[in-house]
Amino acid sequence: EAGVTQSPTHLIKTRGQQATLRCSPISGHTSVYWYQQALGLGLQFLLWYDEGEERNRGNFPPRFSGRQFPNYSSELNVNALELEDSALYLCASRFIRGRNEKLFFGSGTQLSVL
Amino acid sequence: RKEVEQDPGPFNVPEGATVAFNCTYSNSASQSFFWYRQDCRKEPKLLMSVYSSGNEDGRFTAQLNRASQYISLLIRDSKLSDSATYLCVVMAGGSYIPTFGRGTSLIVHP
Repeated sequence: EAGVTQSPTHLIKTRGQQATLRCSPISGHTSVYWYQQALGLGLQFLLWYDEGEERNRGNFPPRFSGRQFPNYSSELNVNALELEDSALYLCASRFIRGRNEKLFFGSGTQLSVL
Repeated sequence: RKEVEQDPGPFNVPEGATVAFNCTYSNSASQSFFWYRQDCRKEPKLLMSVYSSGNEDGRFTAQLNRASQYISLLIRDSKLSDSATYLCVVMAGGSYIPTFGRGTSLIVHP
């Protein structure tokens, strides 16, 4: 069974440009989470999608947005890129069965803003 | 106070040592608890869920203390391959948002 896949692996942009990151969850998982991990920092929650709807967002400006498609894959868009947006962006899909709950992560997209 | 706090370390221990990490959380409504392992700049991977009664998986033991709002991870007989950052994850009931601690770095040396 395929795991969570993210693309691209690396992305280099310049200030002011726009970036699009993609995520495909594990088959059957409907929830997708996006996290930002800047160098030396912890994972910061960005967005949560479930069943095609945005359910919650973290404390990030509106230029961070996204969507979830009918097949549950997801896109994260970052507009007007700033230098401090350079980070590892991680996508995770959630498995729930009764009290058994797990998050599975993709290998991330390393975004560098020059 | 941060929602989830961990001692960043690093914990530098010899092979074979026993090491323990603690993690405190601020939201008393938290219901789900996990430990994840993250190798350098790679994705976090689930190490174990933490149950109220405590649970063990091989050399790893996790405990939950709801009264004091902390969880712990004990690693026995440390291996070189245990070197990584260990992330504490807490989810409050009804929020469905896993909150991560900043992680505790473990270095196991020969």
